Amino acid sequence: KAGVTQTPRYLIKTRGQQVTLSCSPISGHRSVSWYQQTPGQGLQFLFEYFSETQRNKGNFPGRFSGRQFSNSRSEMNVSTLELGDSALYLCASSKGNEQFFGPGTRLTVL
Amino acid sequence: QKEVEQNSGPLSVPEGAIASLNCTYSDRGSQSFFWYRQYSGKSPELIMSIYSNGDQEDGRFTAQLNKASQYVSLLIRDSQPSDSATYLCAVTSNRDDKIIFGKGTRLHILP
Repeated sequence: KAGVTQTPRYLIKTRGQQVTLSCSPISGHRSVSWYQQTPGQGLQFLFEYFSETQRNKGNFPGRFSGRQFSNSRSEMNVSTLELGDSALYLCASSKGNEQFFGPGTRLTVL
Repeated sequence: QKEVEQNSGPLSVPEGAIASLNCTYSDRGSQSFFWYRQYSGKSPELIMSIYSNGDQEDGRFTAQLNKASQYVSLLIRDSQPSDSATYLCAVTSNRDDKIIFGKGTRLHILP
């Protein structure tokens, strides 16, 4: 069974730009969660989508948004990028309580 | 109080010994507990799940849960250099089912 895939794997952007990251969950998984990981803050929850609806949201500003499509694929968007948005963005899919992570997208904001 | 706390380490353990990783959590109603392993530059990988008090064993790994003490641990027997990684403890929030991660403990197995 194929795992969680994320694209792109690496991104370099400049301040003020926006970025869209994509995640394809494991086949049959309807829940997709997004996390930001930085050395100082660890893994921080961004949001969770289930059946195209946002089910949970973390404490991030409105510049961070997401959506889920009918095939469970999900995208997250960050607008007006700041230097502090440089991080590893991880997507995880789940069918119950257990989450399985994708390889992540490494975003660098210059 | 942080929701999920772990000692950041590094925890150095000789090869072949038992590595013991600990985690405490603040939400007394939490029901699901997980251990993830994360190698440097890679994404977290689920290695153990535990839902009830006591021990859960899988190969060289044993997860232990004590809900009364709000404490969950991971034991790695016969530690190998390939076990060197950061281990993340994760707990499901009773309020909203969000999974809260600790910041992880870096484990270094000494050959």
